[in-house]
Amino acid sequence: GPKVLQIPSHQIIDMGQMVTLNCDPVSNHLYFYWYKQILGQQMEFLVNFYNGKVMEKSKLFKDQFSVERPDGSYFTLKIQPTALEDSAVYFCASSSDWGGYAEQFFGPGTRLTVL
Amino acid sequence: GDSVTQTEGQVALSEEDFLTIHCNYSASGYPALFWYVQYPGEGPQFLFRASRDKEKGSSRGFEATYNKETTSFHLQKASVQESDSAVYYCALGDRANTGKLTFGHGTILRVHP
Repeated sequence: GPKVLQIPSHQIIDMGQMVTLNCDPVSNHLYFYWYKQILGQQMEFLVNFYNGKVMEKSKLFKDQFSVERPDGSYFTLKIQPTALEDSAVYFCASSSDWGGYAEQFFGPGTRLTVL
Repeated sequence: GDSVTQTEGQVALSEEDFLTIHCNYSASGYPALFWYVQYPGEGPQFLFRASRDKEKGSSRGFEATYNKETTSFHLQKASVQESDSAVYYCALGDRANTGKLTFGHGTILRVHP
C-alpha cells in the first residue's frame, strides 16, 4: 500500500540546537500532519498543513516549531531551539481527503532525543 | 476537549481466543471513529472507520459498532492469530475540524501460539 517515509529514524541532539525532521508523504496526497508521542503517553496532534499553510495547530505546537513543504518536496518539522521536553517520537501523516473522516497514512516515526 | 479512553493497556490471549478492546469517547460534536493498528517499527495503519450511530466498521476479521448512546466503539475479533499481535489505537476525528485525530493511549495485544 501507499507509504510515508520519515528521515531520519532517530536523531540525537543537544538542547538549544536546531533540528529538522523530514517526511516524504504519499505522492498524490495534499494534506499533511505531524503528531507527537512521548514515551508511554498517547499520540497527540501537533499541526496540519495544506496548500502551503498551517490549517490548525495544537497548544503543543510551540513558537519554536515550524512546518513547510517547499516546492512539493519533503514536508518538514523544524524545532529551533530544541528543549528537553521535545524528546519524543514524531509521526508524520498524509491524506488525500480533508476533514475528520479522512484516512491518514502514517510514517514509521522519528525518535528525537534532546540531551 | 475531545478525548478517547481505552480501558485495557495490555491484553494477552492465545490463538483462536475472542478479542475485545474497549474504547469510549467524549466529544462535543458527532465524530467519526477509527481503529488504527501499529506493528513494531511501523507507524499506525488505518484499520477501519465508522461515521454514524449504529454503523459497523470492519476489516481483516476485526469489527466495531458505533454506539452514540454509550459513546463506545469497542474492537472485537472472533478468533485472533499470532500475527494480530500489535498495538491498537482507537481515535476520533471531529467532523468540524481539519483532520485532527484524537487518539487513545493504545492497547498492546500479545497473542501466544
